Amino acid sequence: SSELTQDPDVSVALGQTVTIICRGDSLRTYYANWYQQKPGQAPIVVLYGTTNRPSGIPDRFSGSSSGNTAALTISGAQAEDEADYYCHSRDSSGNRWVFGGGTKLAVL
Amino acid sequence: EVQLEESGGGLVKPGGSLRLSCAASQFSFSTYHMSWVRQAPGKGLEWVSSISGSGDYSHDSDSVKGRFTISRDNAKNSVYLQMNSLRAEDTAVYSCAREEVVCTNGICYSYFDPWGQGTLVTVSS
Repeated sequence: SSELTQDPDVSVALGQTVTIICRGDSLRTYYANWYQQKPGQAPIVVLYGTTNRPSGIPDRFSGSSSGNTAALTISGAQAEDEADYYCHSRDSSGNRWVFGGGTKLAVL
Repeated sequence: EVQLEESGGGLVKPGGSLRLSCAASQFSFSTYHMSWVRQAPGKGLEWVSSISGSGDYSHDSDSVKGRFTISRDNAKNSVYLQMNSLRAEDTAVYSCAREEVVCTNGICYSYFDPWGQGTLVTVSS
């Protein structure tokens, strides 16, 4: 399968912890990247290779995976974390890319 | 600062063609794979096509295969997307992205960084 599935909407209280899930058969083989996109802006990568944070990304962002599931966790969510989050990985062939449908995170 | 700037979007009728360009600057362009990603209005990200640094090989999504062609000119630091037989469902903002590669503990990971701001393609009669 070449699909990655995400819950469309997730909410978290300010300062609390939230986990955004991505499911797909290809995640059993390939790593996940995660992107944050705010309205009117280009996406930025917040995690790559499932668990790695690029420089400049706060350490409240962390990642994990198990079986066909990858997860992005934000520990102590801030107002500025309100955004759309997309998982990203290879498809089953390993030659093509695929994005999850995206999760809109609301920080309450 | 690494920059990507798309151009070539616009309004086109169903069945028509359009060629998008992405101009890159401030990095060694020919050493990077490049991709096109689109986002329909109010919708999520959809990978479209990728091309190797040399241009020797490319891959396309099933939704555009046989209609869209990705190419590059390393002398001009540019990547292109030729879009033929356009459909209403191709309406989207099209963005180019560099495929960054980072190697950690002997394992290399690819991800898209940076992205351009995109160019809007509208397919409508």
